[in-house]
Amino acid sequence: DQQVKQNSPSLSVQEGRISILNCDYTNSMFDYFLWYKKYPAEGPTFLISISSIKDKNEDGRFTVFLNKSAKHLSLHIVPSQPGDSAVYFCAASEAGGFKTIFGAGTRLFVKA
Amino acid sequence: IAGITQAPTSQILAAGRRMTLRCTQDMRHNAMYWYRQDLGLGLRLIHYSNTAGTTGKGEVPDGYSVSRANTDDFPLTLASAVPSQTSVYFCASSALAGPYEQYFGPGTRLTVT
Repeated sequence: DQQVKQNSPSLSVQEGRISILNCDYTNSMFDYFLWYKKYPAEGPTFLISISSIKDKNEDGRFTVFLNKSAKHLSLHIVPSQPGDSAVYFCAASEAGGFKTIFGAGTRLFVKA
Repeated sequence: IAGITQAPTSQILAAGRRMTLRCTQDMRHNAMYWYRQDLGLGLRLIHYSNTAGTTGKGEVPDGYSVSRANTDDFPLTLASAVPSQTSVYFCASSALAGPYEQYFGPGTRLTVT
């Protein structure tokens, strides 16, 4: 049973518009969440993170929102750029835990 | 600065053969990890090491073994490869063990026939 779920395998967005990638989790012990970006034939790279004591974290064009009661987080990219086209992985960890659980990923296409 | 290197880049392996995937980092990170990436399943943790000399099992450890003799190297061994181990394997490291940003290598694409 997947503890971290990304239910949308793909998303297509026009350049300049907002991209919203969603992630749901089932383990209430998760308290730290991360987003990674992956281009083809490369390893994932860290994008942004959020701890459970916050409900929002912003870094430039990227903002992550956390709704603990709904066990849901989302990544907003504004404005979207063609270079943002990649696979985005949501990941979660427990406090004091050594394991990070990843979702299946969402492939984002940003059309010029 | 190389970060994390993995070797080989890709490999075709006959079922039943033994194979070691190599991973080296030059960031002096304490923690290292091995993941496999499969379509529709994302990244799944195989084994991890919090510090040199210690290892632990991840979500899918069966059929794999690891060792951590020093800080820099974290090899992954398939003792007797099976077709279900066909996957892309990523090594990663983080400065400390725990819920911290991980740095990933470029991956090894392994096909077991």
